[in-house]
Amino acid sequence: DTGVSQNPRHKITKRGQNVTFRCDPISEHNRLYWYRQTLGQGPEFLTYFQNEAQLEKSRLLSDRFSAERPKGSFSTLEIQRTEQGDSAMYLCASSLALGDEKLFFGSGTQLSVL
Amino acid sequence: GENVEQHPSTLSVQEGDSAVIKCTYSDSASNYFPWYKQELGKRPQLIIDIRSNVGEKKDQRIAVTLNKTAKHFSLHITETQPEDSAVYFCAPGGGSEKLVFGKGTKLTVNP
Repeated sequence: DTGVSQNPRHKITKRGQNVTFRCDPISEHNRLYWYRQTLGQGPEFLTYFQNEAQLEKSRLLSDRFSAERPKGSFSTLEIQRTEQGDSAMYLCASSLALGDEKLFFGSGTQLSVL
Repeated sequence: GENVEQHPSTLSVQEGDSAVIKCTYSDSASNYFPWYKQELGKRPQLIIDIRSNVGEKKDQRIAVTLNKTAKHFSLHITETQPEDSAVYFCAPGGGSEKLVFGKGTKLTVNP
């Protein structure tokens, strides 16, 4: 499968715990995005990378959220000290390069914070 | 930042009818205008897109029209089928800017 892969598919955690998600983009894609989606809403932008450089981070994103893409391939999204309001579907997407904005989404990681 | 609004939020049509969803945006620098379809429990998927130098694009039963002066673009689905039932999102942006998604339009096609 050459699509965008996300792991895990589901994550249940207790409030206050840290969680980490992984995204493997399509191999030749330089851009990688993280979005968050709650029920009945559109995907909300969190951050994106051009290769290993994090180019933008949403102002709505608290300091508890951090993302990395160390070698310009896979990416991880970590949420520290999770809160119930963090419960959502976390979607990763990739695109080929600057000037090609077609996003290919992964199946997402569903986070439930109890 | 970009403000994106979609109308209507829900749309119910009879099979075979046409459906139109409108998206308005605020950032005049936007030059890329895609529509995504998300079926229940699945990932969003691009169904059609258009760039600012083109006014209309058609792909079989779906089309997108753009009015850059008025800052809106629309998704048109003709001869709707039950499998068109889904949530549709517009996501204007482009260039060095990320895509900003609307809140979605839930389309129901009744057999």
